[in-house]
Amino acid sequence: VQLVESGGGLVQPGRSLRLSCAASGFTFDDYAMHWVRQAPGKGLEWVSGISWNSGSISYADSVKGRFTISRNNARNSLYLQMNSLRAEDTALYYCAKLYCGGGGGCSSRYFDYWGQGTLVTVSS
Amino acid sequence: SYVLTQPPSVSVAPGETARITCGENNIGSKSVHWYQQKPGQAPVVVVYDDYDRPSGIPERFSGSNSGNTATLTISRVEAGDEADYYCQVWDTSGDHLYVFGTGTKVTVL
Repeated sequence: VQLVESGGGLVQPGRSLRLSCAASGFTFDDYAMHWVRQAPGKGLEWVSGISWNSGSISYADSVKGRFTISRNNARNSLYLQMNSLRAEDTALYYCAKLYCGGGGGCSSRYFDYWGQGTLVTVSS
Repeated sequence: SYVLTQPPSVSVAPGETARITCGENNIGSKSVHWYQQKPGQAPVVVVYDDYDRPSGIPERFSGSNSGNTATLTISRVEAGDEADYYCQVWDTSGDHLYVFGTGTKVTVL
């Protein structure tokens, strides 16, 4: 399994950025995918997730209305469109594959594979 | 919403046992997962579903979960275990569906 993020960089407050995650080594369209971020020197924060068929999407309150997650199963790719960026969005953004266990109800959910992250810096 | 509280730091001598707690009301009713993150690296799951270990993770790593506290135990601590550790649950009661703990820095003396 390999997850490779790209698209990070320095951006001014209020501007937009689109992150990408290229997946390989597993059947991409069988799994939900997520974005998790980590501000410099801080802990992990879940950002957003998308089901295998894009039928279920969720966001953290901190990014709801500003960020949009999407995927292209034909291209084995995950995306995060980030608009109206703020200084507090500065972080390393990880793409993560979700493991769903505990039977058909998917009662156990954790991130079994992570990329190395792409750094987003929001500053004027 | 869920707030998973961990001690900021734990210090342990080589060969001793480190215990990292993750607290929240009735956490025992949820599956808890633990990640290890070394400097400059992505997190790696070391315990899932409270006490199971992924292949390749040493038996020295174990977990438990009951009542209001989940615990990650590292036995016979080695220098290579020095890292940040995070607990994580899936919480359906609020909008923040995937919750990470505040993180614990384990220092090997």
